[in-house]
Amino acid sequence: EAGVTQFPSHSVIEKGQTVTLRCDPISGHDNLYWYRRVMGKEIKFLLHFVKESKQDESGMPNNRFLAERTGGTYSTLKVQPAELEDSGVYFCASSQDLPGTSGGGGTDTQYFGPGTRLTVL
Amino acid sequence: EDKVVQSPLSLVVHEGDTVTLNCSYEVTNFRSLLWYKQEKKAPTFLFMLTSSGIEKKSGRLSSILDKKELFSILNITATQTGDSAVYLCAVNNYGQNFVFGPGTRLSVLP
Repeated sequence: EAGVTQFPSHSVIEKGQTVTLRCDPISGHDNLYWYRRVMGKEIKFLLHFVKESKQDESGMPNNRFLAERTGGTYSTLKVQPAELEDSGVYFCASSQDLPGTSGGGGTDTQYFGPGTRLTVL
Repeated sequence: EDKVVQSPLSLVVHEGDTVTLNCSYEVTNFRSLLWYKQEKKAPTFLFMLTSSGIEKKSGRLSSILDKKELFSILNITATQTGDSAVYLCAVNNYGQNFVFGPGTRLSVLP
């Protein structure tokens, strides 16, 4: 079974430019999460999709970030315009069920993608 | 604000040693605590803990949760160089949000 994939693996852009990150979750996983790790800091939650709906976007830093999941399959995260502080590794994760709802069956396990390293110069 | 603290932040041991990694948390509406191992790329799932006092084991790794004292430990016995990684602790609340700790960087020397 294919895991979570992310594209690109690394992106270097200049301040003010636009970048779009893509995440393909594991097939059949309704839940898709975006996280970000800024250098030297812990992984921070950005938002959570259930199918195509935004369940929780409380972690989105500001309105320069736009996440979409049209059709409930892959998701994109667009940063426009990018700022220096946006540099970091953006992780995507997916799970079949919501955390804590599997009754111990493991279907709520979150599987992470390899991340996209974004560098804003 | 929800918070997860891990200690130590960094640990260097020799092969064969046993290590204990700590994770304490302050989270409203706690649902579960998860441990991940991160090597070069994606964090890989190790354990999910929801109930106090029930040890989860996988080979040389084991973990237990104390919901009264709000902490969890991850034990690794007979460490190997392949155990070198960053071990992440994350706590999930009923808002479906995840809060991650800073991680413990474990280096196992031959």
